Parts: sequence; structure tokens; C-alpha cells
Amino acid sequence: DTEVTQTPKHLVMGMTNKKSLKCEQHMGHRAMYWYKQKAKKPPELMFVYSYEKLSINESVPSRFSPECPNSSLLNLHLHALQPEDSALYLCASSRTIGTSGYEQYFGPGTRLTVT
Amino acid sequence: GQQVMQIPQYQHVQEGEDFTTYCNSSTTLSNIQWYKQRPGGHPVFLIQLVKSGEVKKQKRLTFQFGEAKKNSSLHITATQTTDVGTYFCAGPGGSYIPTFGRGTSLIVHP
Repeated sequence: DTEVTQTPKHLVMGMTNKKSLKCEQHMGHRAMYWYKQKAKKPPELMFVYSYEKLSINESVPSRFSPECPNSSLLNLHLHALQPEDSALYLCASSRTIGTSGYEQYFGPGTRLTVT
Repeated sequence: GQQVMQIPQYQHVQEGEDFTTYCNSSTTLSNIQWYKQRPGGHPVFLIQLVKSGEVKKQKRLTFQFGEAKKNSSLHITATQTTDVGTYFCAGPGGSYIPTFGRGTSLIVHP
């Protein structure tokens, strides 16, 4: 199994809603990531989990709350979002290659629309 | 992270023509990665280059890392419609964290 899965594929939510995005990988990767991607832009790092602990938070607003229940799962809890938060949310995991290399595997993403 | 500048932003080619995208950094890069994202899809890892002057090939794709490790290029020979997408280079932004360039969108006209 060499894939990262994400649910849901599409999500429309109001600004007062609470929803969660889910990500799963069974490749044994110990680093997992959340990215936000706007149209025609590169992925923008939000959070990194390493060995199930949050290692990087790129100054993301608190309305985004990540959670890593175990080494295979990553959640992103959403609350009180703004329309400008509408984007493609990508989950990724990575494995090391050799002594200094690594390879990231991206999930298909959740396309989020905030109304 | 180590910023990388990528050009061009867009490239239109006729099917069968070659295509090249370039990545440049003002500082020496320990490595550089390349990703492809098809329209409506997600980024897919293509390759990582680590050594000065390294050249790697994947079928019609040739990846180069400059001698000074400050620039890199991706060259596609005889483009096909299946090559359509955005190609991102990524420098090292931290431990196992890529810093993406802005990407080059390749449009192939049949």
C-alpha cells in the first residue's frame, strides 16, 4: 500500500460549522504533514507531525486544529472558518531515502469551500 | 527555509516540442526535489537530487543539479499531452520539509 488517503474529497461548510478532515497512510511513515493549496499556487505548509508529536506549526490560526491519534492517522479539525480559508487541503507523509534524502507522498486532497 | 525561484510561470508548447523549467537559489542547496501536479490532482514526487552536477533521467525527463548546487532544471524531450501539469521544484525548508517554488505550468497543444 503506497498511498495516502483523505476524506472527504469535497466539503462545503458554513462559517459557524465544525468539521474534520481525515488522512490515513499505512506505509509506516513517521512524518505527516498538512498543506493548504490555493489555485495556481504551490502547497503551503501548515503543520508537521513527527512520531505522532506536533513538531511544526507554521503560525496557523487556531481555527485549524491538528490531531494525530496514531502513527497512521492525521486529522484536521475546522471551526469558525472564513471564506478565504477555501482551498485544497493536502495531507502528506514522508519516508527517508538513504542517509539524507526523503520522499513525500501526497494524498488526493480535500477541496474545501467555506460559505 | 531556502527559497527557490522557478521560471517560467507558464509554458505553452506544441506536442513533440521540448520543455525546460529552471529553479534558482541564492544559497547553496543541500538537495532539490521535483514534483508534478496534474490539473485537479495532487503533487507527485518525481525525484530528489543531492550531488553537485548530478544528472538523472526518467524516460523523457532529464533532471540536473548545478555544479554549485544553486540551480536545477527539468527538461522534457518531445512533450506529450500526458505531460500537462504544473512542475514544482522544492528546496530544503528544514528537516524533511520542502520549500516549494511557485511552479511552472506546462500546456501542451496537440
